[in-house]
Amino acid sequence: DQQVKQNSPSLSVQEGRISILNCDYTNSMFDYFLWYKKYPAEGPTFLISISSIKDKNEDGRFTVFLNKSAKHLSLHIVPSQPGDSAVYFCAASGSGGYQKVTFGTGTKLQVIP
Amino acid sequence: NAGVTQTPKFQVLKTGQSMTLQCAQDMNHNSMYWYRQDPGMGLRLIYYSASEGTTDKGEVPNGYNVSRLNKREFSLRLESAAPSQTSVYFCASIRIGTGELFFGEGSRLTVL
Repeated sequence: DQQVKQNSPSLSVQEGRISILNCDYTNSMFDYFLWYKKYPAEGPTFLISISSIKDKNEDGRFTVFLNKSAKHLSLHIVPSQPGDSAVYFCAASGSGGYQKVTFGTGTKLQVIP
Repeated sequence: NAGVTQTPKFQVLKTGQSMTLQCAQDMNHNSMYWYRQDPGMGLRLIYYSASEGTTDKGEVPNGYNVSRLNKREFSLRLESAAPSQTSVYFCASIRIGTGELFFGEGSRLTVL
C-alpha cells in the first residue's frame, strides 16, 4: 500500500519555464510534507516542507502547495534552471517525538537549456 | 560539519556472505533510519530507531538486522546476503518536530 505517490516518473521542462511536480497521499494523519532533491551518487537533501496547517510555503524559486481535501501537494520551481535537474522525492511524516517518514517513488526532472 | 557518515561506500558480496553497514551522525539527533533505494521504488524504510536502545521495523525489514549502538551510531547488518539485497542504502537522522531527514552519501551494495 503506497501511502505517498508520485505518478510521473519523469518531467522535461525548458530553462526559464515553470516546473510542476505532483504528489498524492492517502494517510490523513500525516502532519508534515517535504520535498527532497537527489543528484546521482549523492544522498537526498531537504528542499522545502509544509505543515498540514498551511496551504502554501515559499522559499525563493521553490513553492509547495498543499490541498488537504484532495490529499495532494505540488512543488513549483520558477524559473527552472539546468542545475535543478535531479530526482525529486515527495515525503510525508506524522508528529510526535520521532517521525516515520514515508517517501514517494520520485520524479526525475530534466531542465533543458 | 560531517553530518551523517556511512561506510563503506561500495561493497560487493557473494550470496550468503554477511556484512555490516556503519552509520554515525554528529547532530545529536535522537532518531535514525536506514532506507534502501531501488529503481522505480523510491526510498523504502528498512528499520528505524526512535531513540538510543530502541529499534523498529519499517516497510522492508526481512533479511536485515540493526543495532543502535549509542546515540550517534546505527548499524545495518545483512546476515546472509541475497541478490535481492543489491541496492543503494542510505542512513539518515531526523531533526525532531519537522520530519526533516539528513542523509548520508549512500552505500552501494552488489550481491552476486
